[in-house]
Amino acid sequence: GAGVSQSPSNKVTEKGKDVELRCDPISGHTALYWYRQSLGQGLEFLIYFQGNSAPDKSGLPSDRFSAERTGGSVSTLTIQRTQQEDSAVYLCASSPYNSPLHFGNGTRLTVT
Amino acid sequence: ELKVEQNPLFLSMQEGKNYTIYCNYSTTSDRLYWYRQDPGKSLESLFVLLSNGAVKQEGRLMASLDTKARLSTLHITAAVHDLSATYFCAVVSSNTGKLIFGQGTTLQVKP
Repeated sequence: GAGVSQSPSNKVTEKGKDVELRCDPISGHTALYWYRQSLGQGLEFLIYFQGNSAPDKSGLPSDRFSAERTGGSVSTLTIQRTQQEDSAVYLCASSPYNSPLHFGNGTRLTVT
Repeated sequence: ELKVEQNPLFLSMQEGKNYTIYCNYSTTSDRLYWYRQDPGKSLESLFVLLSNGAVKQEGRLMASLDTKARLSTLHITAAVHDLSATYFCAVVSSNTGKLIFGQGTTLQVKP
């Protein structure tokens, strides 16, 4: 079956521009996470959606970052006024409640 | 706030040897995962550990959980080159439900 789909797979943008990253989770998965992975580093938690509950935004690094999940399905992570330190791979993952995460292939963001 | 620490962060070992990766976490949890990541790839789930004393095995990898010590181990038996990858543990916070990852352990198995 279809896995978690992320788009675009690669994004190069100029410093100061806004970007939108999209995640299509597996159908029926109630939990959706966004993580950021810098080169050779671990996964930094950004935001967590669980069903209809209010999202846990405690990992968003600044107010330039925001995310939404529409209809309990597709999610968009938006970064405004991008900075070079935002360059990383952004990973989305989804799961049924209390189950292992299924990861997408990530969006590699490069801010020049 | 939940913190997850792995050690070592990098491990170079010879084929045929045994070694253990450690994962410590700072607050109560009832669920721990181990993931594998190959270079340039996304993460693949290896094990789910749900209770104190839980042990799971798959091939040359064995994972265990001690919730009282807040410690999980991933033991590698008679390593082979195909096991070269980065291994992450991830812990679910009992308070918030969110999943926090350790820094990862990069394993390099040399012939």
